[in-house]
Amino acid sequence: DTGVSQDPRHKITKRGQNVTFRCDPISEHNRLYWYRQTLGQGPEFLTYFQNEAQLEKSRLLSDRFSAERPKGSFSTLEIQRTEQGDSAMYLCASSLRDFSDTQYFGPGTRLTVL
Amino acid sequence: AQKITQTQPGMFVQEKEAVTLDCTYDTSDQSYGLFWYKQPSSGEMIFLIYQGSYDEQNATEGRYSLNFQKARKSANLVISASQLGDSAMYFCAMREGLSGSARQLTFGSGTQLTVLP
Repeated sequence: DTGVSQDPRHKITKRGQNVTFRCDPISEHNRLYWYRQTLGQGPEFLTYFQNEAQLEKSRLLSDRFSAERPKGSFSTLEIQRTEQGDSAMYLCASSLRDFSDTQYFGPGTRLTVL
Repeated sequence: AQKITQTQPGMFVQEKEAVTLDCTYDTSDQSYGLFWYKQPSSGEMIFLIYQGSYDEQNATEGRYSLNFQKARKSANLVISASQLGDSAMYFCAMREGLSGSARQLTFGSGTQLTVLP
């Protein structure tokens, strides 16, 4: 399978705990994006990387959120001191710099904060 | 103002018929890209079709076509010969600016399509 992969697929945690998600992009893609999707809504942008550089962060990305892409390959998204409002689907996408810059999405990580 | 508007929360279509899902967008950029994604109940976002703002021809990909009306700022998705497997949520999205500079996608609220046997 050469698509975008995400791990874990589901995460249940208690309020106040830290969680970390991983995304492995399509191998030749140098751009990587994180989005959050709540029930009944379209995805909302969180942050993106070009290679290892984090180029933009949304206002949705509070201080409790941090993302890394240390070697320009996989990326991690960490949420510290989780809150119930963090419950959502976290989607990762990757793209190749070409004429369309089409973003291909992974299966997502569904986070439930109890 | 909403950048992407999808006015149909839900749509029904009979199997084998064609269906049009509406999408209007708002941008002041001259360069932008428009995308449609399908999201089945499993949750994965599946890319369907892309239209660039400078493309003069409407994009087509198999049973999917994009009816691009630039002056009206609309980018409707047409699915021909609907199949039961087409039942899913469909999202219209826009990337503003040139593709050379990485940009995030802005999504609409989606249209839930149900194909009836």
